Amino acid sequence: DAGVIQSPRHEVTEMGQEVTLRCKPISGHNSLFWYRQTMMRGLELLIYFNNNVPIDDSGMPEDRFSAKMPNASFSTLKIQPSEPRDSAVYFCASSLRGVRKTQYFGPGTRLLVL
Amino acid sequence: ELKVEQNPLFLSMQEGKNYTIYCNYSTTSDRLYWYRQDPGKSLESLFVLLSNGAVKQEGRLMASLDTKARLSTLHITAAVHDLSATYFCAVDREGGGADGLTFGKGTHLIIQP
Repeated sequence: DAGVIQSPRHEVTEMGQEVTLRCKPISGHNSLFWYRQTMMRGLELLIYFNNNVPIDDSGMPEDRFSAKMPNASFSTLKIQPSEPRDSAVYFCASSLRGVRKTQYFGPGTRLLVL
Repeated sequence: ELKVEQNPLFLSMQEGKNYTIYCNYSTTSDRLYWYRQDPGKSLESLFVLLSNGAVKQEGRLMASLDTKARLSTLHITAAVHDLSATYFCAVDREGGGADGLTFGKGTHLIIQP
């Protein structure tokens, strides 16, 4: 199994630009999560989907952030316009709903907004 | 608001020693996760603890869960350098069914020869 795939792995952009992060979950998993990791705030849940439907987006910091999951094998997290404080590592994770519900994390996208 | 507190946040220890990392949480969730993160890498699942009294062991690491005390421990036995990493505990955000995880701040573990 290829695991959770994220792209790009690194992104450097200028303030005000649009940034799109992509995620392919593990095949067969029906829950997908977006997390952000910073030194100051640690790991934060941004949004998650069950069966492609957004369940809880209360962690999305502002309207500048949006996420979609058009099908079971693809999700995007978009930041428009980006700001320097958005610089972080963004992780996508997926799981199979059930008793264990272990979330498997992708390699992350390291975003730097100048 | 769900809170997950780990201590210590930083730990430097010598090879061969034993130590315990503590994770306290504020919800009634009976499902707790431990992850490992190496510098610049992703998170690797170590243990899933599903019920009160659950104990899991893998090599030199052993995790336990006391849901009544809302406490989990990660015990390291005879530490080796390869165990140097940051260890996170995490709890289901709402407990009992919701799926998002709330993480502790992590314990940065350095094991010196």
